[in-house]
Amino acid sequence: QKEVEQNSGPLSVPEGAIASLNCTYSDRGSQSFFWYRQYSGKSPELIMFIYSNGDKEDGRFTAQLNKASQYVSLLIRDSQPSDSATYLCAAPSYNQGGKLIFGQGTELSVKP
Amino acid sequence: NAGVTQTPKFQVLKTGQSMTLQCAQDMNHNSMYWYRQDPGMGLRLIYYSASEGTTDKGEVPNGYNVSRLNKREFSLRLESAAPSQTSVYFCASNRDRVYEQYFGPGTRLTVT
Repeated sequence: QKEVEQNSGPLSVPEGAIASLNCTYSDRGSQSFFWYRQYSGKSPELIMFIYSNGDKEDGRFTAQLNKASQYVSLLIRDSQPSDSATYLCAAPSYNQGGKLIFGQGTELSVKP
Repeated sequence: NAGVTQTPKFQVLKTGQSMTLQCAQDMNHNSMYWYRQDPGMGLRLIYYSASEGTTDKGEVPNGYNVSRLNKREFSLRLESAAPSQTSVYFCASNRDRVYEQYFGPGTRLTVT
């Protein structure tokens, strides 16, 4: 089992819909979780982080964390074509000295 | 603040040539990382440095060497480039291993 797993997609949603991106992790010791957005040909950019169980909202983005289920998600409300990118989930792995481990990324396509 | 900078942005090498990729950060971060990103492979850690004066191997270190020159700079050297090293290389840094990482713009390397 990979330490951080995501569906590779592509995930396609119509403009204005809610896009839901999911991530599971295996290290129960992980305390912090990060979502990155990577446009084609660009570097990953941090968009959200969450440390506590529950929801964290920032504009159109909501991160959800369920530590019991070892599950993190990112919801994008009112999706726009400009949200089309690959989204990477990351969590520290204490099995690997606390380094951040990245998932493979989910490709999101928002269709006008 | 420039954040994380990388040079060069693009490079073409012939098999067997050597080169050094440069990375610098101005955020006073302790930890720095080198990744490569290939289609379908996600981010793969080559080497990292938890603090000035220390370096450790990541997932794919073969064919590479690194130097943590000071707290700001972390360089990646290819001693004898091979076509398998054609990739996009990202440098990243964070305050400490478990915190969010910030990425440089990347170096697109082609080895012919």
